Parts: sequence; C-alpha cells; structure tokens
Amino acid sequence: AQTVTQSQPEMSVQEAETVTLSCTYDTSESNYYLFWYKQPPSRQMILVIRQEAYKQQNATENRFSVNFQKAAKSFSLKISDSQLGDTAMYFCALLNNAGNMLTFGGGTRLMVKP
Amino acid sequence: DVKVTQSSRYLVKRTGEKVFLECVQDMDHENMFWYRQDPGLGLRLIYFSYDVKMKEKGDIPEGYSVSREKKERFSLILESASTNQTSMYLCASRAAGTGEIGQYFGPGTRLTVT
Repeated sequence: AQTVTQSQPEMSVQEAETVTLSCTYDTSESNYYLFWYKQPPSRQMILVIRQEAYKQQNATENRFSVNFQKAAKSFSLKISDSQLGDTAMYFCALLNNAGNMLTFGGGTRLMVKP
Repeated sequence: DVKVTQSSRYLVKRTGEKVFLECVQDMDHENMFWYRQDPGLGLRLIYFSYDVKMKEKGDIPEGYSVSREKKERFSLILESASTNQTSMYLCASRAAGTGEIGQYFGPGTRLTVT
C-alpha cells in the first residue's frame, strides 16, 4: 500500500512572499510519479506540477517548484511571489508505476493575504 | 484542453434512493476514476476503469458500483444512498500509458443524502 501525508492542514502567506508546503509519502516501488494539485474555491482540481521519481532534477513550473528528496520520501512544493489567486487547497499525490493507483494526501489549505 | 464534465454540481437525495452520478470526458481517455473528497481525508478512490466494460475496486468501494458502457462515460451508482455517503464526488480521466501526465478532473458533484 502507498500512503501520502500532508502535515499542514492550513497555512497562510503574505502576497509576494514565498511559502513551502510539505508532503511525505511511502511506497515500496522504485519508480513512481508525484504531483501537486490545486483546488481553488470553485472546486475544479488542476495539476500544478509533476515529478518522475527516476529524475533527480527538481521540477519547476514558473513560480512553482518542488524539492524532491527520494531517500527521505519527501516532496515539498514551493510557491514564490505568492499571488491572491494561489489561495486554494493543495493536494500532494503519488501515482504508482503501473499508473492505476493515485493516492492523495489530506490537503493543505493555503490562504494568500493581501 | 481536456474536458471532464459531471452531470450535476449539487444533488440532494433521500436515504435509500438509488443515485446515479455521470461523468463524461471528451479526450478519448482509456482510464477513468471516481473519488470522494472529505475534509481532512483528501481524495479517496472508489472505483476506476481501464477501458470500456472494465472496472477495478479502489480503496472504498463498499456501497458503490460503476458502469462503463462507452469509453467517454463513467457512471457511479449508489444502490441505496445512506447519510454517510454525503460527500463531494470527483471524476477524473487519463490516457493510458501516460503516468507522468496525471489525471484531469471534473468540477465535482456535492451530494447530500438526507
């Protein structure tokens, strides 16, 4: 079984500042995929960033970047220059190698304050 | 853009009713998924389908069934709705063999069982 844990139920950050959301996971597989999803108050879940476990280089998408520590099974999300539109629930997720099991963490509610 | 649609945004049903939640995707994806989302628990997989007429149980299949008669449509069925099935239900789809891309989600259906 694979598990994903997000230890921060809620976080807040001032606009334009940087915030890091934590995620740890557990899996017995050597290859897998990790994701961060964003769910704004309108509820449409969208993919923010993804990381293949076999790639050592941390993924980056504009203001979003990850710190992937495979040995520690840690996958944190850093949001730089936070914007009001970043206010949302953020979910960390782990996809197994077969691609048929996507496991989510409990989510972190992020509020960006003006 | 991939579009995943769900038949209702909000639904209220009585205990014991049979409930159908419909999901349609327009990108010819082989894989489709049903999740329920509850506060603090993240998303939990109910059922998924590899292809037409194929289905697999997820983590919490009890009390649910699914139907996939056409590739673009994946239905979730609550045979006899109960109050503990009050939740947000999210449908997702993904092309097979593209694990690194992640899943595309519908807007969700908030079901209340009274």
